[in-house]
Amino acid sequence: GAGVSQSPSNKVTEKGKDVELRCDPISGHTALYWYRQSLGQGLEFLIYFQGNSAPDKSGLPSDRFSAERTGGSVSTLTIQRTQQEDSAVYLCASSVRTRNTQYFGPGTRLTVL
Amino acid sequence: QQPVQSPQAVILREGEDAVINCSSSKALYSVHWYRQKHGEAPVFLMILLKGGEQKGHEKISASFNEKKQQSSLYLTASQLSYSGTYFCGTEQETSGSRLTFGEGTQLTVNP
Repeated sequence: GAGVSQSPSNKVTEKGKDVELRCDPISGHTALYWYRQSLGQGLEFLIYFQGNSAPDKSGLPSDRFSAERTGGSVSTLTIQRTQQEDSAVYLCASSVRTRNTQYFGPGTRLTVL
Repeated sequence: QQPVQSPQAVILREGEDAVINCSSSKALYSVHWYRQKHGEAPVFLMILLKGGEQKGHEKISASFNEKKQQSSLYLTASQLSYSGTYFCGTEQETSGSRLTFGEGTQLTVNP
């Protein structure tokens, strides 16, 4: 595709529910990153995948957060038992390879009531 | 370790120049600059690599001082379209390719 796509664009959920956020990277990009941005804040790294290597999960804030990347392409970020502090915009980025320019998708705005 | 950006905000008149600074306490491999408009995704501006040259296109350029682990973004003859929040993202020598972002510099260009 032309760019990174994410779905849904907006998600409203109730506290305690699980949510899944999807990212489709740019075709041919081997590296995929997840960040989140709270209101008025900078971007916070969550996790990144590079090819078939084990993902770098060092930014995940708790064990309620997990992510997978199937077939080296699409990625899903899952948040279990959502809390109000999880409300943020979740951004996905991809790059041709690591140590290269990261291109961001439009994000998913998550609101936990 | 989050890089420190300065200033936090700047207001310009169209045609004026601005400099945004980004400083890290860690040894860096690269610095990435992005601009984000309200409600939109960050848009890539440029990347500066350790040992690389100063980058620039049109009226936006940047430098990277490896000894000081500092980068500066230069905006010359600013245009209304330059308004937005500018973020630097730093890639450390030892932490793989994840970016650590500063808190951003809000730039407003008025007519």
